[in-house]
Amino acid sequence: DQQVKQNSPSLSVQEGRISILNCDYTNSMFDYFLWYKKYPAEGPTFLISISSIKDKNEDGRFTVFLNKSAKHLSLHIVPSQPGDSAVYFCAEKNNAGNMLTFGGGTRLMVKP
Amino acid sequence: SQTIHQWPATLVQPVGSPLSLECTVEGTSNPNLYWYRQAAGRGLQLLFYSVGIGQISSEVPQNLSASRPQDRQFILSSKKLLLSDSGFYLCARGGLNEKLFFGSGTQLSVL
Repeated sequence: DQQVKQNSPSLSVQEGRISILNCDYTNSMFDYFLWYKKYPAEGPTFLISISSIKDKNEDGRFTVFLNKSAKHLSLHIVPSQPGDSAVYFCAEKNNAGNMLTFGGGTRLMVKP
Repeated sequence: SQTIHQWPATLVQPVGSPLSLECTVEGTSNPNLYWYRQAAGRGLQLLFYSVGIGQISSEVPQNLSASRPQDRQFILSSKKLLLSDSGFYLCARGGLNEKLFFGSGTQLSVL
């Protein structure tokens, strides 16, 4: 049973518009949430994170929202740029350990 | 420095052959080290993690093994590769605030 799910395998957005990437989790013990960005043939790079004590964290064009009651995490990118085209992974950390559990990823394509 | 060296970048191996992927890290001593795999069209799966020399924990039963002979060296091995071992292998180290820093990965194709 997947503890972290990204139900949309792909998303296509026009340049300048908002991209919304979603992530659902089942383990209520997760206390820290992260988003990673991955280009083909490269390792993922950290993008933005949020602690479970917050419901929003913003960094430039990127905002992460956390809805603990719904066990839902989302990443908003606005405005979207062609260079944002990549696979985005959400990840959650269990408060009992140091391991991250990753979702299956969503491939974002931003069209010029 | 958080540099993670992984090699080779790509590897094509026949079924039944052995495997050795090496990862070395720079920076602080005694880092937590991880091996992840991304199979085609799938997410990142944690394979092994290590909190110190000679200490290896396996997350999933499989055809692979890991070793940590030195503080900053993490090796992924197999005695006999299977077709299902194909994938993109990533070494990572733990950082502050639960972040992971990943290497550039090795694309393994087993034919």
